[in-house]
Amino acid sequence: AAGVIQSPRHLIKEKRETATLKCYPIPRHDTVYWYQQGPGQDPQFLISFYEKMQSDKGSIPDRFSAQQFSDYHSELNMSSLELGDSALYFCASSSSNSEAFFGQGTRLTVV
Amino acid sequence: GQQVMQIPQYQHVQEGEDFTTYCNSSTTLSNIQWYKQRPGGHPVFLIQLVKSGEVKKQKRLTFQFGEAKKNSSLHITATQTTDVGTYFCLNSNSGYALNFGKGTSLLVTP
Repeated sequence: AAGVIQSPRHLIKEKRETATLKCYPIPRHDTVYWYQQGPGQDPQFLISFYEKMQSDKGSIPDRFSAQQFSDYHSELNMSSLELGDSALYFCASSSSNSEAFFGQGTRLTVV
Repeated sequence: GQQVMQIPQYQHVQEGEDFTTYCNSSTTLSNIQWYKQRPGGHPVFLIQLVKSGEVKKQKRLTFQFGEAKKNSSLHITATQTTDVGTYFCLNSNSGYALNFGKGTSLLVTP
């Protein structure tokens, strides 16, 4: 069965650069979530979309933005990268109140 | 979803011992979802509880939802090294944030 696909799996960027992370949710799922997980930390909710509209917002820095496109894939755009942005970024999708399925994550390293 | 508190934050057991983690909320929850995250992995859904007093079992794992729907527990019988990971409980509200708390990190030594 198709799972949540994230790309790229690994990304290395320099400080002040920009990065774009992509997420392809499970077909027919109506909600997409983005999370940031630093080393030894729990996943921190960044933002969610329900039927392509932003539905909830967490601790997402102003330097980050996200959107969901007509084909339901989502992108997390990160600008002016800082060393502290180095983390594992997860995307998840779900349908209504059912369980969330997580992608394998994108490991971002800012040097 | 609403934030829930989970205890303990860490638990270290010998293989074969039992393990329990507890979730508590100050308000009534519509549901509880449990996830497990292995070191270096992504969160994986285990189960969802919806009904008051509900008990569900998955092999050595037993999940309970309190009668007042304000607390939940996960009990693992006879832990194995494959149980190592962090267990999270959270409340799901369609379209809104799935808020992960600190979770309970379980370490099992042979």
